[in-house]
Amino acid sequence: KQEVTQIPAALSVPEGENLVLNCSFTDSAIYNLQWFRQDPGKGLTSLLLIQSSQREQTSGRLNASLDKSSGRSTLYIAASQPGDSATYLCAVREANSKLTFGKGITLSVRP
Amino acid sequence: DGGITQSPKYLFRKEGQNVTLSCEQNLNHDAMYWYRQDPGQGLRLIYYSQIVNDFQKGDIAEGYSVSREKKESFPLTVTSAQKNPTAFYLCASSLSTGGLSNYGYTFGSGTRLTVV
Repeated sequence: KQEVTQIPAALSVPEGENLVLNCSFTDSAIYNLQWFRQDPGKGLTSLLLIQSSQREQTSGRLNASLDKSSGRSTLYIAASQPGDSATYLCAVREANSKLTFGKGITLSVRP
Repeated sequence: DGGITQSPKYLFRKEGQNVTLSCEQNLNHDAMYWYRQDPGQGLRLIYYSQIVNDFQKGDIAEGYSVSREKKESFPLTVTSAQKNPTAFYLCASSLSTGGLSNYGYTFGSGTRLTVV
């Protein structure tokens, strides 16, 4: 059974810092990996989608990488801002079309 | 704008009642999903549907029921058999299904259900 792990559960950084959020998964037979952002009490907003054949995707200050063979993905946030404070979740999609989520990393960016 | 609409945003259920959560999408997506989110437990799959008039149980289907009579709609009923229904419920959809799952998920804004 696929397991997705995100460590640490919470992170606090000063504004302007570059940071990396980690995600690991146990079964490398995935179709894609997706990073989401969730604000308190809200739904999930998709940030980046990486296909299994890709190594990375970029959107603005965000860069996500995927190493399928080692079961790892990272989300890099450049020049963090207080508005980046949220919970970040990664999820992997498998052949049965199901999405398995990590528990998320709650990020706090201090002004 | 295309998207997923969940309603209501907040829902209160009395003991022994069934309640239905609405999920509608206008993205022309084939697959739709229901997740439950509890603090510290992440998102868990309740039911999913890859095509109209067909659906499968997820990891925590007991006490829930769904229907998929239209491509756009995938309502979730929380029955009285669900012993701990208080949670945040999220609906999602995706364009592709089955083995060619190259597309990402789109989520609604969620429904917070509370038992009173």
